[in-house]
Amino acid sequence: NAGVTQTPKFQVLKTGQSMTLQCAQDMNHNSMYWYRQDPGMGLRLIYYSASEGTTDKGEVPNGYNVSRLNKREFSLRLESAAPSQTSVYFCASSEALGGQGFLYFGPGTRLTVT
Amino acid sequence: KQEVTQIPAALSVPEGENLVLNCSFTDSAIYNLQWFRQDPGKGLTSLLLIQSSQREQTSGRLNASLDKSSGRSTLYIAASQPGDSATYLCAVLGGATNKLIFGTGTLLAVQP
Repeated sequence: NAGVTQTPKFQVLKTGQSMTLQCAQDMNHNSMYWYRQDPGMGLRLIYYSASEGTTDKGEVPNGYNVSRLNKREFSLRLESAAPSQTSVYFCASSEALGGQGFLYFGPGTRLTVT
Repeated sequence: KQEVTQIPAALSVPEGENLVLNCSFTDSAIYNLQWFRQDPGKGLTSLLLIQSSQREQTSGRLNASLDKSSGRSTLYIAASQPGDSATYLCAVLGGATNKLIFGTGTLLAVQP
């Protein structure tokens, strides 16, 4: 069991470039999430997917899009990167929606936008 | 709007000491509260989950308590070890939403 995996681990982008962060889980979880973590701000929810085929906005969705490709995979896309999107991005999954069960986190993607 | 606060932001203790980490939240209408551990450069690991109807949960040397009416939770670590050094975060699931709201964490250093 790999749990939650994320690729890439590190990425540097120039302002205006686009990229997709990939996330996959092998625990047959229904719900998946994307968070960003910034110093002094805690973790903030970007988007989540309660189940395959559904996605919803979290606290800070502007500038991002997501795709729940299938039950295992949930990707996050930055269409036109901005320096304000420099952050560490975490994908997470849970059997039930929200925090009703334990959340399992991936190792994170450290993104720098110059 | 739910706000979650963790004080202190950093704590340093000698090995073997028992310690308490604090978490407070502004809206007592919560579904549950979770404690996580985060090692440097890594993701978060769930430690304990307390449902709103519960008062405490225990796992090994860790004990988490919940007082909904006062908007507080504590994480008690017994006989601390250098391997306990990490950032500890709490998060609450609000009764009106399906989203976890995280605190900013307490950075714990256990000195050998």
